[in-house]
Amino acid sequence: DVKVTQSSRYLVKRTGEKVFLECVQDMDHENMFWYRQDPGLGLRLIYFSYDVKMKEKGDIPEGYSVSREKKERFSLILESASTNQTSMYLCASSTGDEQFFGPGTRLTVL
Amino acid sequence: AQKITQTQPGMFVQEKEAVTLDCTYDTSDPSYGLFWYKQPSSGEMIFLIYQGSYDQQNATEGRYSLNFQKARKSANLVISASQLGDSAMYFCAMSRSFSGGYNKLIFGAGTRLAVHP
Repeated sequence: DVKVTQSSRYLVKRTGEKVFLECVQDMDHENMFWYRQDPGLGLRLIYFSYDVKMKEKGDIPEGYSVSREKKERFSLILESASTNQTSMYLCASSTGDEQFFGPGTRLTVL
Repeated sequence: AQKITQTQPGMFVQEKEAVTLDCTYDTSDPSYGLFWYKQPSSGEMIFLIYQGSYDQQNATEGRYSLNFQKARKSANLVISASQLGDSAMYFCAMSRSFSGGYNKLIFGAGTRLAVHP
C-alpha cells in the first residue's frame, strides 16, 4: 500500500521560530511537492522537487525553503514563522500523473 | 495562465440521489489531465478519478463519473447514489506535464458536499 507520511498532524509555533515540516514517501517516487491549503483558495503549490537535491519554486515560495537530501524525504522549512503562515500543509509525491498525498500538517503560528 | 474554477462553494444532496459538482478550466496546452480529489474532515486527499485531454470517452470509477466537455472546457464530477460517507470537500485539479516527466497540479477552490439522510 502506497504511503506518504508527514511528521506531525498538528503543530503550534511562535512567531519568528524556525519550523521544519517533514515528509517521507515509500513509493520510490522521483517527484515530491509541498502545498498549503487555505479556505476558499484550494491548494497552492509552494515548492516541488523532481530529483534529489533538485528543487523548483511553485506559485507561493516566499517565506519558505525546502531540502531534498534523500529521494524519500522532502522537508519544508519556514525560516522565521509568521502568523500568515498559519495553514494546512500537504505533501505529495508522484511518478507521473497521479499525486499521492500525506495526511497534512495543521500549523498554527502564534 | 492556467486556472481551475469551481463555482459552487457548497452543495447539498439527499442520500441515494445523484449530484453534479462543477469544474471549468482554462489552459492553452494541448495535453493536460483533469483530476478529482475528495478530502474528508480527517484531512487526507483521496484520488477519485482522472481524465486525459485526449481521452475520447468519459472516465468512470464505480459511482464516480467525469463529464468531460472539451469544447466547453468543463470537467464536472457526477456522483451517483450519494452516501452519507460522500460528505466531504471535493477538489478539481489540472495537470501540466513537463519534459522531465513530472507534472504540477493546479487546484480549484473546492466544493463542500453535504449528504443528508
